[in-house]
Amino acid sequence: EPEVTQTPSHQVTQMGQEVILRCVPISNHLYFYWYRQILGQKVEFLVSFYNNEISEKSEIFDDQFSVERPDGSNFTLKIRSTKLEDSAMYFCASSEIGDSGYTFGSGTRLTVV
Amino acid sequence: GESVGLHLPTLSVQEGDNSIINCAYSNSASDYFIWYKQESGKGPQFIIDIRSNMDKRQGQRVTVLLNKTVKHLSLQIAATQPGDSAVYFCAENRGAAGNKLTFGGGTRVLVKP
Repeated sequence: EPEVTQTPSHQVTQMGQEVILRCVPISNHLYFYWYRQILGQKVEFLVSFYNNEISEKSEIFDDQFSVERPDGSNFTLKIRSTKLEDSAMYFCASSEIGDSGYTFGSGTRLTVV
Repeated sequence: GESVGLHLPTLSVQEGDNSIINCAYSNSASDYFIWYKQESGKGPQFIIDIRSNMDKRQGQRVTVLLNKTVKHLSLQIAATQPGDSAVYFCAENRGAAGNKLTFGGGTRVLVKP
């Protein structure tokens, strides 16, 4: 069964450093998403991406965040200057048609120290 | 409304019994609903979905019921197995209003042997 692949599985970074979280969506999917889950809390939407541009973003997704599809297979989330409160699980998801059929990756646990 | 916090409601169920997990959603414009299972350290795993033009949908050992009048969604798991132990989230999508999923607070299911 096709999977969404995320790397690394765990990233530890110092406050103020830049991090890039990587995702390989399912190959025929056209819609891409990032979600995050702070420990013990619910999953929260960050951003959706379609046709090489952001289609929607939440208030969490401020100027410190950016997304990119640098080639035909990768989808990345960059946090420019990490804060302690950015510590969370970050999930990438993709969908073929955008309004259903979302597949999530296993996540990257980001720990900011 | 949605619950946010560190303490998940927990459902303890005997192996072999049926489980019912409930979810109240907030947006009457939502037209697509999904139940996800999340095991420790993993991403949300799709279980079953339902569109707002239906009130019931069945899968393998799972049934989702949708009551739009009271904005309530439930997941029934038949003959619960130890492998069903996880946190279960409902999620809603407002379709034309955006392709983002809004997750509920989650319910932890513990299956007792």
